[in-house]
Amino acid sequence: NAGVMQNPRHLVRRRGQEARLRCSPVKGHSHVYWYRQLPEEGLKFMVYLQKENIIDESGMPKERFSAEFPKEGPSILRIQQVVRGDSAAYFCASSPNRVHGYTFGSGTRLTVV
Amino acid sequence: QQQVKQSPQSLIVQKGGISIINCAYENTAFDYFPWYQQFPGKGPALLIAIRPDVSEKKEGRFTISFNKSAKQFSLHIMDSQPGDSATYFCADGETSGSRLTFGEGTQLTVNP
Repeated sequence: NAGVMQNPRHLVRRRGQEARLRCSPVKGHSHVYWYRQLPEEGLKFMVYLQKENIIDESGMPKERFSAEFPKEGPSILRIQQVVRGDSAAYFCASSPNRVHGYTFGSGTRLTVV
Repeated sequence: QQQVKQSPQSLIVQKGGISIINCAYENTAFDYFPWYQQFPGKGPALLIAIRPDVSEKKEGRFTISFNKSAKQFSLHIMDSQPGDSATYFCADGETSGSRLTFGEGTQLTVNP
């Protein structure tokens, strides 16, 4: 039973490019969450999605960031026109029932050069 | 924004010793307090969690102590082993909610 799968593991983008991060939840989990971890800091909530719906995006920057969880396929976190401050580890988690029983993926480490 | 304050930032213990990490929370409406363990290059993994209706929960060598009046909870790792060396995060949230608020993390090193 595979856990949360995130890809790519590492992503390097030049300033101004777009970054697309993918997350496949645990089979049967319908709740997906994205968190960002800056170096030497804890995880910060970004967005919570269920299939085809954004439920809570209060932690996501208003500009350049978007997320989706389509009916088919993985959840995507998209960052347009990346800047150096976007360099971080981005973790996806899934759960069968809200915060209880989060399973995290191994993350995507984004480096903006 | 309400926070979870975690201490110490780093901790070094000898093999066989007790590791203690503390967290203070602010939002008394929250009813779910988990601890996560993270190894380098990996995502956080749930270690143990507690609800405020109990004062202590034990799973193997890991114990959470919860002090509702002081709004504090702590993780105790008994008989610490080198394999426990990792970063530990406390968090809080609502069982019916959609997000967790994480502490800043404690980097634990257990020397052999």
